[in-house]
Amino acid sequence: DGGITQSPKYLFRKEGQNVTLSCEQNLNHDAMYWYRQDPGQGLRLIYYSQIVNDFQKGDIAEGYSVSREKKESFPLTVTSAQKNPTAFYLCASSPDSSSYNSPLHFGNGTRLTVT
Amino acid sequence: EDKVVQSPLSLVVHEGDTVTLNCSYEVTNFRSLLWYKQEKKAPTFLFMLTSSGIEKKSGRLSSILDKKELFSILNITATQTGDSAVYLCAVKTGPDSNYQLIWGAGTKLIIKP
Repeated sequence: DGGITQSPKYLFRKEGQNVTLSCEQNLNHDAMYWYRQDPGQGLRLIYYSQIVNDFQKGDIAEGYSVSREKKESFPLTVTSAQKNPTAFYLCASSPDSSSYNSPLHFGNGTRLTVT
Repeated sequence: EDKVVQSPLSLVVHEGDTVTLNCSYEVTNFRSLLWYKQEKKAPTFLFMLTSSGIEKKSGRLSSILDKKELFSILNITATQTGDSAVYLCAVKTGPDSNYQLIWGAGTKLIIKP
């Protein structure tokens, strides 16, 4: 079955450490996205990638970094510069970023806790 | 500034009740409005609405868009405990080549048996 796999499901880190969240899709989608979800707020876009080897900052990119070396993979690194990293992180994909009639497909998320 | 506002923020009803969730928006260059259901993990797609007045239906769920008054409603009839979830509304704006998704904060729906 095609889908998006995020790992790990839960992640605990000490303040000051970088951490990388994995996102893999086998839907053959060109576009991939990282969102952050906090209680009482809408999803906020961190980074997105429309094609391999290219990505753009979203609304809250500070303290995060990404890479898109393969079509299937879009890992997100939460750096020590991110002031409030504890959150639920969702990865999503769509056939391409211009297909506005196609909804996003989401992974099951990674809950990151930094203490 | 583009914004999407959902109401209520949370709702508790009994099984069998009918509920109506609201999503209002103020955006430039509206393209479509989407509803998702999130049960603790991945949001799953429910409906995409682009035209006013055309009801989309899937089983006990239905949704309609009013582009004049800038809102959409999601109706769930004969609710079941499995309908308990956060319902998210998002609006697509911008050009085809580089659209944006503006998300509401969600409505948390709890169905009591």
